[in-house]
Amino acid sequence: DQQVKQNSPSLSVQEGRISILNCDYTNSMFDYFLWYKKYPAEGPTFLISISSIKDKNEDGRFTVFLNKSAKHLSLHIVPSQPGDSAVYFCAAISGNTPLVFGKGTRLSVIA
Amino acid sequence: DVKVTQSSRYLVKRTGEKVFLECVQDMDHENMFWYRQDPGLGLRLIYFSYDVKMKEKGDIPEGYSVSREKKERFSLILESASTNQTSMYLCASSLGAVYNSPLHFGNGTRLTVT
Repeated sequence: DQQVKQNSPSLSVQEGRISILNCDYTNSMFDYFLWYKKYPAEGPTFLISISSIKDKNEDGRFTVFLNKSAKHLSLHIVPSQPGDSAVYFCAAISGNTPLVFGKGTRLSVIA
Repeated sequence: DVKVTQSSRYLVKRTGEKVFLECVQDMDHENMFWYRQDPGLGLRLIYFSYDVKMKEKGDIPEGYSVSREKKERFSLILESASTNQTSMYLCASSLGAVYNSPLHFGNGTRLTVT
C-alpha cells in the first residue's frame, strides 16, 4: 500500500510561470515532509522540508504548503526556470522510521 | 560538505554472479541506506543500518544482503544477480534523525544484469 502518492508522473510548465507539484499521504502518523530533486545520472538532493506543526515553509523560489486535514502537500516553484527541470520526489517520515518516498513527478520547464 | 561515494557509476554483470555495490560516506553519519530507483516505481528502500554491524530490512530486501563492518562503509550484495535486479542503486546517509539532518545521496550505480 502506497503511503506517499504523487499522482502526476509528469508536468510541463512554461519558463517564468508557476510549477505546482502535488503529493498526498495516507499515514496520519507522518510528522515531517521533504522534497528532493533529482537530475539524470545524479543522486537526489534535498530541496525543502516542512514539519507537521506548520502549514507553509518558504525558501527562495520554493514554497511547500501542508494541509494536514486533507493529507496533502504541494511544492510551488515561482518563477520556474529551465534548470528546474528534474524529477521531484515527495517524502515523509514519522519517528525513527526511514523516509518513505513517492514515485516522483518529472517536471519539464520549457523556455 | 557531505560526500557519499558509490564505487561504480555503471556496472554490467551476468545472471547468477555475486555482485558487490560499495558505498562510503565521509561525515561520520550513523545512518546509511540503500534504495533502488526504477521508472514508475520511485525510490524503494532495500536495507538500512543505524549503526555498525546493525542492519534492518527495508521494503524490498529479497535477493539482497548488506554488510556494515565500519561506520563509513555500507555494502549491498546481490547474492545471485537476476535480470529483474537491473536498476539504479542509490546509497544515502544521514546524521541521526531525518528531522535534523536530511538524507544525503550518492550519485548512484546503474547496474545492468544480462
